[in-house]
Amino acid sequence: DAGVTQSPTHLIKTRGQHVTLRCSPISGHKSVSWYQQVLGQGPQFIFQYYEKEERGRGNFPDRFSARQFPNYSSELNVNALLLGDSALYLCASSSLAGYVDTQYFGPGTRLTVL
Amino acid sequence: GEDVEQSLFLSVREGDSSVINCTYTDSSSTYLYWYKQEPGAGLQLLTYIFSNMDMKQDQRLTVLLNKKDKHLSLRIADTQTGDSAIYFCAESNNYGQNFVFGPGTRLSVLP
Repeated sequence: DAGVTQSPTHLIKTRGQHVTLRCSPISGHKSVSWYQQVLGQGPQFIFQYYEKEERGRGNFPDRFSARQFPNYSSELNVNALLLGDSALYLCASSSLAGYVDTQYFGPGTRLTVL
Repeated sequence: GEDVEQSLFLSVREGDSSVINCTYTDSSSTYLYWYKQEPGAGLQLLTYIFSNMDMKQDQRLTVLLNKKDKHLSLRIADTQTGDSAIYFCAESNNYGQNFVFGPGTRLSVLP
């Protein structure tokens, strides 16, 4: 079975531009979460979507938005990019079957803002 | 707010045991997790423990939880060079909301 896939792998943008990152969850998983991992730090929670609805939001500005599609894939959008948005963006999927949320992570998209 | 802390570096010799420690502040945490991240890769779930458990063992991995002190540890027996990676402690409440990660502990295994 394919794991969580993310595209693109790497991306270079300039300040002020907009970026869209994509994620496909493991087949059968209905929940997708997005994380930002700045170099040398742990991942920080941005959003969680389940059944196309936002279930949780971390402490990120409104420049960050996301959505989930009927096939459970997801997009993360970031507007008006800042240098500080340079990071590895990780997507995780989970089934949310039962109580424990065992999240499976994709390889990430490395975003560099110049 | 919630906070998870870990020591940043640990170095051990191949064949020895490694113990990676973590402290957390959110007393409502229901699940605690250990993830492994190898260079250039995403995070791999190693194990998790429910907050009403004290210990969980899975092959070479042993997780100990002291809920009173909000202290979690991961012991890796017979550490191998392939165990070199960054290990993240994380906490969440029910249904995985409010997932909070620590800064990660870089484990170096010396031959």
